Amino acid sequence: AQTVTQSQPEMSVQEAETVTLSCTYDTSESDYYLFWYKQPPSRQMILVIRQEAYKQQNATENRFSVNFQKAAKSFSLKISDSQLGDAAMYFCAYRTIIQGAQKLVFGQGTRLTINP
Amino acid sequence: DTGVSQDPRHKITKRGQNVTFRCDPISEHNRLYWYRQTLGQGPEFLTYFQNEAQLEKSRLLSDRFSAERPKGSFSTLEIQRTEQGDSAMYLCASSLATGLRDTEAFFGQGTRLTVV
Repeated sequence: AQTVTQSQPEMSVQEAETVTLSCTYDTSESDYYLFWYKQPPSRQMILVIRQEAYKQQNATENRFSVNFQKAAKSFSLKISDSQLGDAAMYFCAYRTIIQGAQKLVFGQGTRLTINP
Repeated sequence: DTGVSQDPRHKITKRGQNVTFRCDPISEHNRLYWYRQTLGQGPEFLTYFQNEAQLEKSRLLSDRFSAERPKGSFSTLEIQRTEQGDSAMYLCASSLATGLRDTEAFFGQGTRLTVV
């Protein structure tokens, strides 16, 4: 079974600075999807960024980028120019590409605080 | 369509009572997922439907839990004889699967259950 580990329960960063959230995972599959989801307080979870394992190029979405190291099974999220609205729980998640097994496997989450 | 809708947002019940939650997915989405999230943890998969067929159930889904999606649209999750350990946020998500591809999962705001 796949597992996802986020080793940083909490992180904080000054507004406008850069922060990196760590994620490692375990799988025997060669192709899969990885995601970072953001869960603001009392609001629904939203997708931040998605990476397909067969793509070597790291995904980027505006201020958000990932460092995907397939051999090391590492998938970190970098947030540049942090804004107050980035404060949230961030979850790393894994999904197989196998049809009929589309559930997301989540890590424990990292609570990100932005200091003004 | 404004996204995935869950009702109620909050539910307080006495131990031993039955509760039912509803999820309305994004209208064109054929896949619907239920997850459970306890405080400080990432969501854990419970079950998912493709159209009206329940295709996978986690071992977390004890015989006190039942989920339905009778017409392939909305879904209900019922918990019978609630226990204090059932206290959690219950999240619903939906996605559109076409052929071999699957869109990202969109989440609702969740139903927070407190069993007293």
